[in-house]
Amino acid sequence: KAGVTQTPRYLIKTRGQQVTLSCSPISGHRSVSWYQQTPGQGLQFLFEYFSETQRNKGNFPGRFSGRQFSNSRSEMNVSTLELGDSALYLCASRSGGVNNEQFFGPGTRLTVL
Amino acid sequence: AQKVTQAQTEISVVEKEDVTLDCVYETRDTTYYLFWYKQPPSGELVFLIRRNSFDEQNEISGRYSWNFQKSTSSFNFTITASQVVDSAVYFCALSEDNTDKLIFGTGTRLQVFP
Repeated sequence: KAGVTQTPRYLIKTRGQQVTLSCSPISGHRSVSWYQQTPGQGLQFLFEYFSETQRNKGNFPGRFSGRQFSNSRSEMNVSTLELGDSALYLCASRSGGVNNEQFFGPGTRLTVL
Repeated sequence: AQKVTQAQTEISVVEKEDVTLDCVYETRDTTYYLFWYKQPPSGELVFLIRRNSFDEQNEISGRYSWNFQKSTSSFNFTITASQVVDSAVYFCALSEDNTDKLIFGTGTRLQVFP
């Protein structure tokens, strides 16, 4: 079974631009969560989606948004990029009930210049 | 408020030594879940173990073992006979009931030298 895939793996943008990151969960998984990892703040929760509905949102500004499609694939968008948005963005999916273990993708490393 | 503390920033050991990674958590919920993840240099978080708050039974899986103690709010992880391939950053995480939101500790970087 293929794991969680994220595209692109690496991305370089400039301040003020916007970016869209994509995540394909493990086949059959309907829940997708997103996390941001930076050296200063560590791993922080962004969003949680289940069956196209956002169930939970972390403490991030409105520039960060996401969505989930009917095939469970998810995208997150960051508008008006800032230097501090440079990070590794990780996507995770799970099967079964809430609180089951989540399986992470390799991440998208975003660099904002 | 929920919080996970991993006081050990970095640990270095020589191959075949045993090593224990500490994790202390805070939560007001009576139902919660604890996890350990490993992040090798490739960056992908690898799931190791999940425990719920009602299951204090400690477990051994190969060279890995876990010690969950609610009385001290600790969920420690031990690697027996460490190997160079164990070198990675290890994260402890907490989720409260009915949410997938993981609250991570700051991680412990383990370096195993040959």
